[in-house]
Amino acid sequence: GENVEQHPSTLSVQEGDSAVIKCTYSDSASNYFPWYKQELGKRPQLIIDIRSNVGEKKDQRIAVTLNKTAKHFSLHITETQPEDSAVYFCAASSTGSSNTGKLIFGQGTTLQVKP
Amino acid sequence: DGGITQSPKYLFRKEGQNVTLSCEQNLNHDAMYWYRQDPGQGLRLIYYSQIVNDFQKGDIAEGYSVSREKKESFPLTVTSAQKNPTAFYLCASRTSGSDEQFFGPGTRLTVL
Repeated sequence: GENVEQHPSTLSVQEGDSAVIKCTYSDSASNYFPWYKQELGKRPQLIIDIRSNVGEKKDQRIAVTLNKTAKHFSLHITETQPEDSAVYFCAASSTGSSNTGKLIFGQGTTLQVKP
Repeated sequence: DGGITQSPKYLFRKEGQNVTLSCEQNLNHDAMYWYRQDPGQGLRLIYYSQIVNDFQKGDIAEGYSVSREKKESFPLTVTSAQKNPTAFYLCASRTSGSDEQFFGPGTRLTVL
């Protein structure tokens, strides 16, 4: 079945350093790839997303890259700050003609930014 | 995301009891989703609905039931058949013209 693998499960960086989280997906029909940030006990919030017709997207300190051939995508956070500490989830979806919006989530990465 | 509400925030249930989790949205979104989140794991899809009076099973539907009688509401019932219901339950919604899902604040269910 459809599957999304996310690595690493935990990541600790010093404030100001960069953080990279990687995901691979199994369904070649996947064409929408969102990233969510979830603070402890709160709801996931979308921070950036990318579609399969684009190889890279950037929003200030956050960027996402997509390699369709290898079926993997990555989240890059530069100049990390303590408030970036949270759990990050990648997801994949196939938005074809039926477009159910079903998201398959990775297992999550707990990012800790040390001041 | 302020347009999606879930209640209650915390819920305690005795074994053998059915409980219903509420999800309401005032965003006029067509599609609604229920996810389950366990510690150290990603979100897993329980049920989803793309239109009123229609819904489909997700990946882990066993022991759960839903209804979609109104566009704004998508309640989830956790039945006694669900063997391990203790988890954080998240509801989400999406408009038909967008891929982005907006999440509610969640309900933490604990079975005593």
